[in-house]
Amino acid sequence: QKEVEQNSGPLSVPEGAIASLNCTYSDRGSQSFFWYRQYSGKSPELIMFIYSNGDKEDGRFTAQLNKASQYVSLLIRDSQPSDSATYLCAVIGGGFKTIFGAGTRLFVKA
Amino acid sequence: EPEVTQTPSHQVTQMGQEVILRCVPISNHLYFYWYRQILGQKVEFLVSFYNNEISEKSEIFDDQFSVERPDGSNFTLKIRSTKLEDSAMYFCASSDARKKNTGELFFGEGSRLTVL
Repeated sequence: QKEVEQNSGPLSVPEGAIASLNCTYSDRGSQSFFWYRQYSGKSPELIMFIYSNGDKEDGRFTAQLNKASQYVSLLIRDSQPSDSATYLCAVIGGGFKTIFGAGTRLFVKA
Repeated sequence: EPEVTQTPSHQVTQMGQEVILRCVPISNHLYFYWYRQILGQKVEFLVSFYNNEISEKSEIFDDQFSVERPDGSNFTLKIRSTKLEDSAMYFCASSDARKKNTGELFFGEGSRLTVL
């Protein structure tokens, strides 16, 4: 069973702080890694994707991938109350099936 | 901006009834998916569809479920003889396979199914 594991949280950070979200995956053959954001009652929307080891930055967001450790993370700098949501780590292994983690709930306190 | 559309947004049905959930994927996308999310739980893969056939399905997607692309635009999920535990949000998604290795999923707003 190919799994994606995340700490369910909630993770609470003050406005302006850095939020750090983590994810591990079990399928060593996984090639593509994603972070989706899901607001309550809404559908997931893509925040970032990463394919290569190392860091990838996009605005306030930085994704980090370590394939040897089977670990993916997302850093959110200058966190805003509007960032409060559930963040879903997702992985594509073989084929085109995306597997989601259970998500980490993030609360950014104003 | 192109989007995935789903109907109905909410359906209430009696246990044992058949339900059809409809989706219009983004027009130039080639892969189509159904996911479900039981309230408070993870987004679970049900099935993927490519080139007019199922390319992969999960253990959840048993004989109770079927998918169809009846024309060039619609993609449907049929649930036969619904059970209480089928109550969930069902998300349709599509992706552009031509963007190789991108794999970004574009989700519809979801269809909430309530089985009484």
